[in-house]
Amino acid sequence: DAGVIQSPRHEVTEMGQEVTLRCKPISGHNSLFWYRQTMMRGLELLIYFNNNVPIDDSGMPEDRFSAKMPNASFSTLKIQPSEPRDSAVYFCASSTQGFEQYFGPGTRLTVT
Amino acid sequence: LAKTTQPISMDSYEGQEVNITCSHNNIATNDYITWYQQFPSQGPRFIIQGYKTKVTNEVASLFIPADRKSSTLSLPRVSLSDTAVYYCLVHGFDTGRRALTFGSGTRLQVQP
Repeated sequence: DAGVIQSPRHEVTEMGQEVTLRCKPISGHNSLFWYRQTMMRGLELLIYFNNNVPIDDSGMPEDRFSAKMPNASFSTLKIQPSEPRDSAVYFCASSTQGFEQYFGPGTRLTVT
Repeated sequence: LAKTTQPISMDSYEGQEVNITCSHNNIATNDYITWYQQFPSQGPRFIIQGYKTKVTNEVASLFIPADRKSSTLSLPRVSLSDTAVYYCLVHGFDTGRRALTFGSGTRLQVQP
């Protein structure tokens, strides 16, 4: 199993541009999570899907952030427009019915 | 979600046993206790999970007293490669409570 796959691994963009982060969960996992990690705020949950349905999006910072899960094998996190304060490492994780979460390698986003 | 408190940092030497204690005074009846490990530039990785008493796997042991208001992660004979941040989390398994809330974690530094 390849584990959770995230792309791109690194993204550098200018303020105001649209950014799309992608995640492929482990096959057979029915829960998918998007987290963001910064030095100041640590690791924080942005949104959580169960069976492709968003369950908890209370961590999404503002309307500039949106996430979709069109099918069981793919999810996107979009930031439009991006701002320098969005610079962080974004992790995607997946799990089966409530058991351990498997994290991807992360996407390091830099907004200049 | 139950709030967790753990030491910010710990130092140890190779070959020693390390015990990291986490307090979670308002843990709910159906909550489980899970520990994750995170190396720099990587996503967190599941270490161990338990509900009560003692759980042991090939990596660590988890001790949970009867009142479940705290837990202790025990790492036997640490090596340099155990230098990482360790997170204690409390969460449920029902759909609405599966997301993880990461605190600041404990930064373990193992010296030769």
